[in-house]
Amino acid sequence: GEDVEQSLFLSVREGDSSVINCTYTDSSSTYLYWYKQEPGAGLQLLTYIFSNMDMKQDQRLTVLLNKKDKHLSLRIADTQTGDSAIYFCAETPWYSSASKIIFGSGTRLSIRP
Amino acid sequence: NAGVTQTPKFRVLKTGQSMTLLCAQDMNHEYMYWYRQDPGMGLRLIHYSVGEGTTAKGEVPDGYNVSRLKKQNFLLGLESAAPSQTSVYFCASSPGRMNTEAFFGQGTRLTVV
Repeated sequence: GEDVEQSLFLSVREGDSSVINCTYTDSSSTYLYWYKQEPGAGLQLLTYIFSNMDMKQDQRLTVLLNKKDKHLSLRIADTQTGDSAIYFCAETPWYSSASKIIFGSGTRLSIRP
Repeated sequence: NAGVTQTPKFRVLKTGQSMTLLCAQDMNHEYMYWYRQDPGMGLRLIHYSVGEGTTAKGEVPDGYNVSRLKKQNFLLGLESAAPSQTSVYFCASSPGRMNTEAFFGQGTRLTVV
């Protein structure tokens, strides 16, 4: 069945790059997403990538997609304290009749001074 | 522009009590969703709606009912609350099938004792 997996925690030093990884099982995914959840808040769409792309860059964010290995990563350059949050990887299968999103369990990113 | 608003933000229920969570969006979105978020499990879809007057079951619908009598509102009901329904509930809306523009509410923290 469909599954999205992420590690639960990541700790990086302020100013370093953060790389959050995700694996998924559904090879028919059309969209793959990264959502950010700050404490006490809902999820906000951070970025997304179509399954026919390999990379997408948006300011400090770089998304890499390896379709062969079904691996998605989010790189945050020059990590700041404001980047502390939970990051969710998610996918939408192409066959979904409605906008069904499958979420991973989230990676909690903490920043060390 | 309020976006997606959930009420209440917090609630404590006794086992067997009933309650309704309200989600309202002012963006004229067709699709609305209810998710629950549990530690280490990401977000799981409870029910969703693809338009006024329609509802459909998601991944974990048991113990919940929903209604979409008006396009802007999506109600989630618990008829007889159980401790297993202790969770954070998120409502979301999107314009259509693809979720690139999904917007989330800030969540409702429900505790069932």
